[in-house]
Amino acid sequence: DTAVSQTPKYLVTQMGNDKSIKCEQNLGHDTMYWYKQDSKKFLKIMFSYNNKELIINETVPNRFSPKSPDKAHLNLHINSLELGDSAVYFCASSQTAGWGDTQYFGPGTRLTVL
Amino acid sequence: SQQGEEDPQALSIQEGENATMNCSYKTSINNLQWYRQNSGRGLVHLILIRSNEREKHSGRLRVTLDTSKKSSSLLITASRAADTASYFCATGDSGSRLTFGEGTQLTVNP
Repeated sequence: DTAVSQTPKYLVTQMGNDKSIKCEQNLGHDTMYWYKQDSKKFLKIMFSYNNKELIINETVPNRFSPKSPDKAHLNLHINSLELGDSAVYFCASSQTAGWGDTQYFGPGTRLTVL
Repeated sequence: SQQGEEDPQALSIQEGENATMNCSYKTSINNLQWYRQNSGRGLVHLILIRSNEREKHSGRLRVTLDTSKKSSSLLITASRAADTASYFCATGDSGSRLTFGEGTQLTVNP
């Protein structure tokens, strides 16, 4: 069974559209994350939720809205997509929000905005 | 600029050789972690070293940490073709936030 899963794996869409990426973890972890990896492989945290509450919110355009319906799920909705949003988005989870916890990553969603 | 910078950006070696990757960071840290990313996949945790530790081993991996120089190194001994991947260091503070470096692309030629 996949520990952290994301859907879809690939997403190709036009500028201006709204899209969602879903993430689920079956590890029983309390904390989940969204990262963005650009074309140069630079990985930057966007958001983190602990027990459905937002604990990390980096400087991300408010077109990006995370939603955590329960602690096993963290979805990412993006409004009015722009060319610069093209990247690979990774979901991750960790046991707690404490320091040193291993983060387990999903396989990524490659978003291409045309 | 980002917290971690890695050196070299790319490294190509022959199977059986050792590979050394370096990571430098700017601010105080609580711990430093190394992750591996195979092409088209998510990151996989390799090893964590605490700020009060100087060296740690795990199988063929050896990590060192020098907090006075704000640097860490990852050594992979007796490399294999399957070690071909990108390797990232990530620094952690008192919470769960990790700040990743730019990564080193390692290619191990059979």
